[in-house]
Amino acid sequence: NAGVTQTPKFQVLKTGQSMTLQCAQDMNHNSMYWYRQDPGMGLRLIYYSASEGTTDKGEVPNGYNVSRLNKREFSLRLESAAPSQTSVYFCASSELRQVPDTQYFGPGTRLTVL
Amino acid sequence: ILNVEQSPQSLHVQEGDSTNFTCSFPSSNFYALHWYRWETAKSPEALFVMTLNGDEKKKGRISATLNTKEGYSYLYIKGSQPEDSATYLCAPNTNAGKSTFGDGTTLTVKP
Repeated sequence: NAGVTQTPKFQVLKTGQSMTLQCAQDMNHNSMYWYRQDPGMGLRLIYYSASEGTTDKGEVPNGYNVSRLNKREFSLRLESAAPSQTSVYFCASSELRQVPDTQYFGPGTRLTVL
Repeated sequence: ILNVEQSPQSLHVQEGDSTNFTCSFPSSNFYALHWYRWETAKSPEALFVMTLNGDEKKKGRISATLNTKEGYSYLYIKGSQPEDSATYLCAPNTNAGKSTFGDGTTLTVKP
């Protein structure tokens, strides 16, 4: 099992460009998450999907959109990138049923917006 | 969104020292708490999950305790080694569902 995979691993964008970060998991998990990690700020939740067909905003959703394409895949889109979106983006998945939701993380995407 | 506080923010110790750090969270509607270990240039990985007041978990030289009534958890590392250098995140969740991550404690162990 590959676990959680993310593409791309690195990306440089110019201000105003758009792009989609891809995430897939092969653990048959119901829930998926997108986080950003900035220096000294830990992980901040951008959006999550508790189950296929649903998405909800997290702490910092502005400037992002998501799509839960199917149970395996959860993508994050930046419509018009801004330098403030320079960060490392992590995707995660979990069961999120009536058990503690241990999250399994992908390797991250390092995004720089110039 | 839960208010989760971890202290200290960073810690530098010598190899062989024992250390501990704290995670504080609201005690109401508590369901579970995870500790994650996050090494530089890698992804966070779960260390422990605890659900009951008084829970103690141990993995090698690392252990954790949980007090749900007062809303805190301690992580202890006995005889720190350089390979223990990482950021340690706590993530409590309420019975409403998903976890909230603290900002972490970054541990550096000097040889």
